[in-house]
Amino acid sequence: GEDVEQSLFLSVREGDSSVINCTYTDSSSTYLYWYKQEPGAGLQLLTYIFSNMDMKQDQRLTVLLNKKDKHLSLRIADTQTGDSAIYFCAERGALLSAFGNEKLTFGTGTRLTIIP
Amino acid sequence: DVKVTQSSRYLVKRTGEKVFLECVQDMDHENMFWYRQDPGLGLRLIYFSYDVKMKEKGDIPEGYSVSREKKERFSLILESASTNQTSMYLCASSLGLANTGELFFGEGSRLTVL
Repeated sequence: GEDVEQSLFLSVREGDSSVINCTYTDSSSTYLYWYKQEPGAGLQLLTYIFSNMDMKQDQRLTVLLNKKDKHLSLRIADTQTGDSAIYFCAERGALLSAFGNEKLTFGTGTRLTIIP
Repeated sequence: DVKVTQSSRYLVKRTGEKVFLECVQDMDHENMFWYRQDPGLGLRLIYFSYDVKMKEKGDIPEGYSVSREKKERFSLILESASTNQTSMYLCASSLGLANTGELFFGEGSRLTVL
């Protein structure tokens, strides 16, 4: 099956930029996503990028996609204590199931810790 | 706002018990999903459903079954719970085809099997 890989942990000083990286194996990925999970909660979509784009910016968030290397990154500028969470990378392929490409494959998640 | 509601936030069950986890969504989404989340393993898909009474196995369906009798409700069933099914279970829903594929998640059900 398809695979999505992330580092498990990242620590960043408050006010610095955080960069969370992700690699994936599915060359037919259509959309790639970043989800955020705060303690005790479900996942919430932060942002997504279509596979024919290489960059997307949304306020403090910048997503970079290198389709050739199958590498996705999420940069959070001016990291705040409220950014402490687990961040999941996910991809949606164009494959397999009878009804289309509705499934998402998730990475292991990266726990972001903010150092005061 | 889309709301996905999981009926139980925390459950404690004994080995061999039958366990029902219920999930309801209020936005008329076609697709519903059950994932389990374990530290270091991320989210793994158990089952999903793309229509009433339709289901498809995910990556780890063994030991689980599902039921979707109504569009808004998707149930996960553990026929005979085992300790290795202790986990966080997340339900999600999404619109059908021709959309961004965004999943909307519930808050999760943490199951402990003793």
